[in-house]
Amino acid sequence: GESVGLHLPTLSVQEGDNSIINCAYSNSASDYFIWYKQESGKGPQFIIDIRSNMDKRQGQRVTVLLNKTVKHLSLQIAATQPGDSAVYFCAESKGAQKLVFGQGTRLTINP
Amino acid sequence: DVKVTQSSRYLVKRTGEKVFLECVQDMDHENMFWYRQDPGLGLRLIYFSYDVKMKEKGDIPEGYSVSREKKERFSLILESASTNQTSMYLCASSFGKGTGSLYEQYFGPGTRLTVT
Repeated sequence: GESVGLHLPTLSVQEGDNSIINCAYSNSASDYFIWYKQESGKGPQFIIDIRSNMDKRQGQRVTVLLNKTVKHLSLQIAATQPGDSAVYFCAESKGAQKLVFGQGTRLTINP
Repeated sequence: DVKVTQSSRYLVKRTGEKVFLECVQDMDHENMFWYRQDPGLGLRLIYFSYDVKMKEKGDIPEGYSVSREKKERFSLILESASTNQTSMYLCASSFGKGTGSLYEQYFGPGTRLTVT
């Protein structure tokens, strides 16, 4: 079946540094990818998305990179802040409304 | 802002009980979803619905059923709760057709269900 996996379940960074969260996907037919942030006690919240016809997309302090050759997705967070502490999920879709989620990466910010 | 609400934040039920989890969205979304979230497993899709009275099985439908009698409301039913259904349950909704972010799903705060 489809699967979306993350390389590391946890990531610890220093406040002010850049964070890079990685995601590997298995379905080469996927045409849409999305990142969610989930803070403790809350539901996942949309961060940024990218379609398969793009390699890069930037938002406010976040950038998503898509490498279709190796089926890899990454989320870069610039100048990481304490409020960025959360679990981050990638998800993929292949032309349908249904998303397939990865297991998540917990990002911890060290002061 | 899109708002997805779930009937309870915390719920404790006994084995064998019938459990109803309710979800309501206020943005006239066509699609609604139920997930369960367990540590290390991410979000797994239980059921989803593209329209009123329409439902489709997700990846782990066993032991669950759903109901969508009105567009804004999607209910998850545990016919006979078991301890392995102890989990966080998340409801989500999305537009039926691609608008801006094609498949962005908006999530509720979750219901943490404990079955004893």
